Amino acid sequence: EPEVTQTPSHQVTQMGQEVILRCVPISNHLYFYWYRQILGQKVEFLVSFYNNEISEKSEIFDDQFSVERPDGSNFTLKIRSTKLEDSAMYFCASRPLSFTDTQYFGPGTRLTVL
Amino acid sequence: AQKITQTQPGMFVQEKEAVTLDCTYDTSDPSYGLFWYKQPSSGEMIFLIYQGSYDQQNATEGRYSLNFQKARKSANLVISASQLGDSAMYFCAMRGLEANNLFFGTGTRLTVIP
Repeated sequence: EPEVTQTPSHQVTQMGQEVILRCVPISNHLYFYWYRQILGQKVEFLVSFYNNEISEKSEIFDDQFSVERPDGSNFTLKIRSTKLEDSAMYFCASRPLSFTDTQYFGPGTRLTVL
Repeated sequence: AQKITQTQPGMFVQEKEAVTLDCTYDTSDPSYGLFWYKQPSSGEMIFLIYQGSYDQQNATEGRYSLNFQKARKSANLVISASQLGDSAMYFCAMRGLEANNLFFGTGTRLTVIP
């Protein structure tokens, strides 16, 4: 069964450094998402991406964040200058076109900012 | 705006018994979808079940069923014949017609007791 994959599974970085989190969505899906989950809290929406552009973003997704689909398979989240409060689990998700379609999540990348 | 409320931070159930996890929601969208995800201690988000707001019947997927009461704006998850592997966090989420992303509740931690 196709699945969303994410790399790395765990990333440790120093405050102020740039990080890139990578995702490979399910191949026939058209909508891509990034969510984050701070330890012990609920999952929060960051950004959605469709037709090679951002379709929606939350207040969390400020100028420090960017997303890109550099080729036909990868979907990346970049944090330009990490802060301590960026430490969280970051989930990539994807879904097909229909409104009723389920979003399938990747296994997540745990980002630790020191 | 969408709002999801899960009022049970933790629940315990005896193995082989059924358990109901509560979820209420609020939205002004005329059409919406409701989802339940399971998050085991390993951290991944596993899709369990989906209910559309115009679906006439309650959704079922194996041991999972969704008790959808539209007038009360509730979408409770029922797990029958609980197994030790059901111990996890369970998140209720919704997506409105206008929004492309999922809004999550705060989750319920289910512990299955042998």
